[in-house]
Amino acid sequence: NAGVTQTPKFQVLKTGQSMTLQCAQDMNHEYMSWYRQDPGMGLRLIHYSVGAGITDQGEVPNGYNVSRSTTEDFPLRLLSAAPSQTSVYFCASSSSVLGGQPQHFGDGTRLSIL
Amino acid sequence: DQQVKQNSPSLSVQEGRISILNCDYTNSMFDYFLWYKKYPAEGPTFLISISSIKDKNEDGRFTVFLNKSAKHLSLHIVPSQPGDSAVYFCAASGIQGAQKLVFGQGTRLTINP
Repeated sequence: NAGVTQTPKFQVLKTGQSMTLQCAQDMNHEYMSWYRQDPGMGLRLIHYSVGAGITDQGEVPNGYNVSRSTTEDFPLRLLSAAPSQTSVYFCASSSSVLGGQPQHFGDGTRLSIL
Repeated sequence: DQQVKQNSPSLSVQEGRISILNCDYTNSMFDYFLWYKKYPAEGPTFLISISSIKDKNEDGRFTVFLNKSAKHLSLHIVPSQPGDSAVYFCAASGIQGAQKLVFGQGTRLTINP
């Protein structure tokens, strides 16, 4: 019973490099989201998806791209990494769009940009 | 502008006593409020939620109280146990916003034996 799986768990990049953070869920959830967690700021929404082929921006989308070609996968791409993108990234999924319904989170990817 | 605020970065409570974690919000359009618990190196896990039409929701040792006029909610844990030591996040969403949570900064709860 994997739930939400994020890879890699840790990554160090140099400024200007690109990379993709992977997120996969096996619960057949339509709704998926990406958040970043920074010290003293809680989690902030980067992008979200309400189904395959449908994505939208959250609070802090700049510097990130997403796509949703399948229900299971929701990768997050950093186009040109910057030190300000050093953070812990969490992917989440939910079975319903209705408020109050819980999101299920992966264990995060800790990303450092040098 | 921080729409959801947890003004206490940390809280220390004796085992067996009540833990009270507080959360304030500014956006009156929020319809649902949720509490998540997070251990180090793990993702947040859902604890309990409350709709804006209610003022209390209870689940075992966890009770959430909502005061809409004050735009304030609190999570009560009774009795507190060592395994409750974690970071607790308050989050809010609209009616159809389960995938668009707005989080507070978190409160680190430490339960002392």
